Amino acid sequence: IQLTQSPSFLSASVGDRVTITCRASQGISSYLAWYQQKPGKAPKLLIYAASTLQSGVPSRFSGSGSGTEFTLTISSLQPEDFATYYCQQLNSYTYSFGQGTKLEIK
Amino acid sequence: QVQLQESGPGLVKPSETLSLTCAVSGYSISSGYYWGWIRQPPGKGLEWIGSIYHSGSTYYNPSLKSRVTISVDTSKNQFSLKLSSVTAADTAVYYCARRRLAFDIWGQGTMVTVSS
Repeated sequence: IQLTQSPSFLSASVGDRVTITCRASQGISSYLAWYQQKPGKAPKLLIYAASTLQSGVPSRFSGSGSGTEFTLTISSLQPEDFATYYCQQLNSYTYSFGQGTKLEIK
Repeated sequence: QVQLQESGPGLVKPSETLSLTCAVSGYSISSGYYWGWIRQPPGKGLEWIGSIYHSGSTYYNPSLKSRVTISVDTSKNQFSLKLSSVTAADTAVYYCARRRLAFDIWGQGTMVTVSS
């Protein structure tokens, strides 16, 4: 199953609302997760099951979607949110990641 | 607090086998969940390598399946990765992680370079 994220690069300002999209090549129900990765660090789980916020993750992060189209929304960007974001499907026993979206400061 | 720690050689020669171990603390692998390996070449995205259940059932990335073996040692509370016939394309940071509904706990990662 191929995952395609858009955009690949995103420039935004503190306080902006941003949305990242992840499209799957076939239906994956709600078996989708979102991760945040900062340089030199391991990825951090933000959302699983498409829309469930991982414990400890700020409520400005939200996820939605099912089937083949999913979105990650950050309601009001904070300085610590500038990072690379990945989606991952866990529908089958072979998991795959999207190519990533790099979120940069405008 | 559950923690994962990767260990193994940082340099592997081409055509040889890459071997890494992930030590788990704060949780008994025998209690359940899947455990996995993910890698990230320098400057590139994440690639899932494979996963193992505590019982030993394994699932591999089809693109790597012919070269990958993941095993678990519940007595030592650790799981391992072997990747054979490595080339420069296998140079990456290798992460181990625990999978519940997603990969919720990750090791810090270990850089492995394939070079003669």
